[in-house]
Amino acid sequence: AQTVTQSQPEMSVQEAETVTLSCTYDTSESDYYLFWYKQPPSRQMILVIRQEAYKQQNATENRFSVNFQKAAKSFSLKISDSQLGDAAMYFCAYGDRDDKIIFGKGTRLHILP
Amino acid sequence: KAGVTQTPRYLIKTRGQQVTLSCSPISGHRSVSWYQQTPGQGLQFLFEYFSETQRNKGNFPGRFSGRQFSNSRSEMNVSTLELGDSALYLCASSSRDPTYEQYFGPGTRLTVT
Repeated sequence: AQTVTQSQPEMSVQEAETVTLSCTYDTSESDYYLFWYKQPPSRQMILVIRQEAYKQQNATENRFSVNFQKAAKSFSLKISDSQLGDAAMYFCAYGDRDDKIIFGKGTRLHILP
Repeated sequence: KAGVTQTPRYLIKTRGQQVTLSCSPISGHRSVSWYQQTPGQGLQFLFEYFSETQRNKGNFPGRFSGRQFSNSRSEMNVSTLELGDSALYLCASSSRDPTYEQYFGPGTRLTVT
């Protein structure tokens, strides 16, 4: 069965600094997707970034980028120039053609002004 | 496009009662998934419907059921409510093609007393 592990329950970063959230996963599938979702205090789950497993190039969305290491089954999220609005719970997630997304336990990110 | 909508947003029920939650997906999305989010268990997959058929089911008791209508709207029903059913119930829709990311609604906060 697929699993997703986020080993950092909480992290803090100074405003304008860079922070990296870690995620590892396990799967025997070759075709899958990885996601980072953000859940702010409003509880609305927002898709931050996605990575297709067949693509070697790391995905980037503005200040958010990933470091996808397929062999190591690692999928970290880097947030550059952290802003107060980035404070949220971040979930790493795995999805494949079964369309069932497996979520990690989440990392709560605090932004220090 | 309008996002995923869920009704009601908040609900208070008594143990033993039953409840029905509703989800309207993004227009054109035929896949709807339901998740239960609690502080202790995190995000857990309940079930997924695609074109009115349940395609995937999580590890929840039979008290949890769902259905999908021809317009892709979905309902989730919980019978004989227990205190432990208190949670945020999230619905997500997906087009499933070409990518598998899911778009979440704001959730329904269910409190069982």
